[in-house]
Amino acid sequence: EVQLVESGGGLVKPGSSLKLSCVASGFTFSSYGMHWIRQAPKKGLEWIALIYYDSSNKYYADSVKGRFTISRDNSKNTLYLEMNSLRSEDTAMYYCAKEYYSLYVMDAWGQGASVTVSS
Amino acid sequence: DVQMTQSPSYLAASPGESVSISCKASKSINTYLAWYQEKPGKTNKLLIYSGSTLQSGTPSRFSGSGSGTDFTLTIRSLEPEDFAFYYCQQHNEYPLTFGSGTKLEIK
Repeated sequence: EVQLVESGGGLVKPGSSLKLSCVASGFTFSSYGMHWIRQAPKKGLEWIALIYYDSSNKYYADSVKGRFTISRDNSKNTLYLEMNSLRSEDTAMYYCAKEYYSLYVMDAWGQGASVTVSS
Repeated sequence: DVQMTQSPSYLAASPGESVSISCKASKSINTYLAWYQEKPGKTNKLLIYSGSTLQSGTPSRFSGSGSGTDFTLTIRSLEPEDFAFYYCQQHNEYPLTFGSGTKLEIK
C-alpha cells in the first residue's frame, strides 16, 4: 500500500524558514516524480512544485518561485520542501503527492503537514 | 496560467440521484483534465484523468467528459460514500491548476 507521511510543519514567524519532509513507502520512490500541493484555510488546492524522479527537472508555481525549493533523497525515500522568507499567505496544509506515470496528475496523497506563519 | 472555473460550488442531492459538476478552463487544455475526491480523515483520491479515463478502483458510476475548455464530472446513482468535495485539475501545462471545488452534500 502506498503511504506518504509529511512532517516538519509548525508555527513560524514571517520571514523565517521551515523544511518539510515526506517519507514514502509502498512503491519504488526513485521511479516517480513527486509534487507538493497546499491548501490554505477555507480555500481550494494550489499546486506548488514538482520534482522529476531523478531530480533532473523541477517546476514551481510563481507564488513560491525563488523562496521554496523542492528536493529529494531517493536513498531515504524522502521528499523535501525547503521554505524560506515565509509570509502569512503561506499558511496552509501542505501535501506531498505521487506523480502518476508522467501525466502530471497525483495518484496518492499524504495526510498533510500544517504550516502557520504568524507573528 | 490556466484558470479553472468549477461550478456549482455547492450541490445537494439524495442517494440514488445523478449529479453533474462542471469545470471550465480559460483556454484549451485538450483532454487533460483530472477529477479528485476529498473526504474528511482520508487522503485525496484521483478519480479520473485525461478527461474520461477512470483511475483504477474508481466505481463505474463516475464518468468524465469534455475536451478543449468544457468538462463535466457525472456521478450516477449516488451512494452515501460519494458525498464529499470534488476538485478538477488541468494537467496540460505548468503551472498545474485546480478548480475551486464543489461540496456535494446529502439533501
